[in-house]
Amino acid sequence: AQTVTQSQPEMSVQEAETVTLSCTYDTSESDYYLFWYKQPPSRQMILVIRQEAYKQQNATENRFSVNFQKAAKSFSLKISDSQLGDAAMYFCAYRSDYYNNNDMRFGAGTRLTVKP
Amino acid sequence: KAGVTQTPRYLIKTRGQQVTLSCSPISGHRSVSWYQQTPGQGLQFLFEYFSETQRNKGNFPGRFSGRQFSNSRSEMNVSTLELGDSALYLCASSSSQGWYEQYFGPGTRLTVT
Repeated sequence: AQTVTQSQPEMSVQEAETVTLSCTYDTSESDYYLFWYKQPPSRQMILVIRQEAYKQQNATENRFSVNFQKAAKSFSLKISDSQLGDAAMYFCAYRSDYYNNNDMRFGAGTRLTVKP
Repeated sequence: KAGVTQTPRYLIKTRGQQVTLSCSPISGHRSVSWYQQTPGQGLQFLFEYFSETQRNKGNFPGRFSGRQFSNSRSEMNVSTLELGDSALYLCASSSSQGWYEQYFGPGTRLTVT
């Protein structure tokens, strides 16, 4: 079964600085999708960024970018120019490209604090 | 487009009771998934519905059930509530084209006393 591991329960970053959140996953599949979701306190889960495993190029969305290392099964999220609004729980997620048993698997999350 | 909506947002029930939660997906989305989120277990997949059919099911007891209607709205039901069922229940929808990407609702916070 696919598992997702986020080894940093908590991270802290100074406003305007850069922070990297780590995520590793375990799978024997070759086709899959990886996601980072953000869940602000008492607010809705929001999709931050998506990476297709077949794409070698790392995904980028404004200040958010990923470092996808398929062989190492690593998928880290870099947040540049951190803002107070970036404070949230961040979840790394994996979804198989196969029709059966392709529910989304989430990591335990990393709580990001942004200091002014 | 309106986002995923869930009702009610908060619910307090007593052990042994049953509860029904509702989810309306984004217009045009035909897939709805349900998750249970707790501090101890994190986000756990309950089930997924597509075109009124259950496509995937997580590892939860039979007390947890769901269904999807022809308009893609979905309900989940928990019977014989236990204290451990207290959680945030999240619903997520996805489109047929971008089936792999899920959009979440605000959740229903269920407290069982």
